[in-house]
Amino acid sequence: DTGVSQDPRHKITKRGQNVTFRCDPISEHNRLYWYRQTLGQGPEFLTYFQNEAQLEKSRLLSDRFSAERPKGSFSTLEIQRTEQGDSAMYLCASSLGGLTNEKLFFGSGTQLSVL
Amino acid sequence: QKEVEQDPGPLSVPEGAIVSLNCTYSNSAFQYFMWYRQYSRKGPELLMYTYSSGNKEDGRFTAQVDKSSKYISLFIRDSQPSDSATYLCAMRGGNTPLVFGKGTRLSVIA
Repeated sequence: DTGVSQDPRHKITKRGQNVTFRCDPISEHNRLYWYRQTLGQGPEFLTYFQNEAQLEKSRLLSDRFSAERPKGSFSTLEIQRTEQGDSAMYLCASSLGGLTNEKLFFGSGTQLSVL
Repeated sequence: QKEVEQDPGPLSVPEGAIVSLNCTYSNSAFQYFMWYRQYSRKGPELLMYTYSSGNKEDGRFTAQVDKSSKYISLFIRDSQPSDSATYLCAMRGGNTPLVFGKGTRLSVIA
């Protein structure tokens, strides 16, 4: 499978715990995006990387959230001290950035439930 | 006012009908317009990509962009039950992140 891969598919955690999600992009893609989607809403941008550099962060990304892409390949998104409001689908997407016709390809997401 | 407005539906049509889905937007800097399809518990899948104003056709799908009215549309001809999904419009400016609408949930009834 050469698409975007996300792990785990589902995560149930208790409020106050830390969680970490992983995303493996399409191999030749240099850009990697994180989005969050709640029920009945479209995906909302969180942050993106070009290679290993984190180029932009949304103000939705509170200081409890941190994302890394250490070698410009896979990425992790960590949420510390989870809150019930963090319950959502976390989507990763990758692309060949820098092109005028940049197209994002999404993974199947990680569904987070905070109890 | 949100940057991208999309009627969430739900929209229910009989098999074979022509479906029209629409979005309006407020940011005149948007130049690139996309439609994604999302099945339940899956990630969005890119359906159509259009730059600036005009029409683009791909099989049963036609995307239209009217930048003067800040209005985009997706038409689905000969709709099938397998087209039942949520359809998300998305758009961006030159080098800005993709902004999505809420999505319209479509059901095609056999």
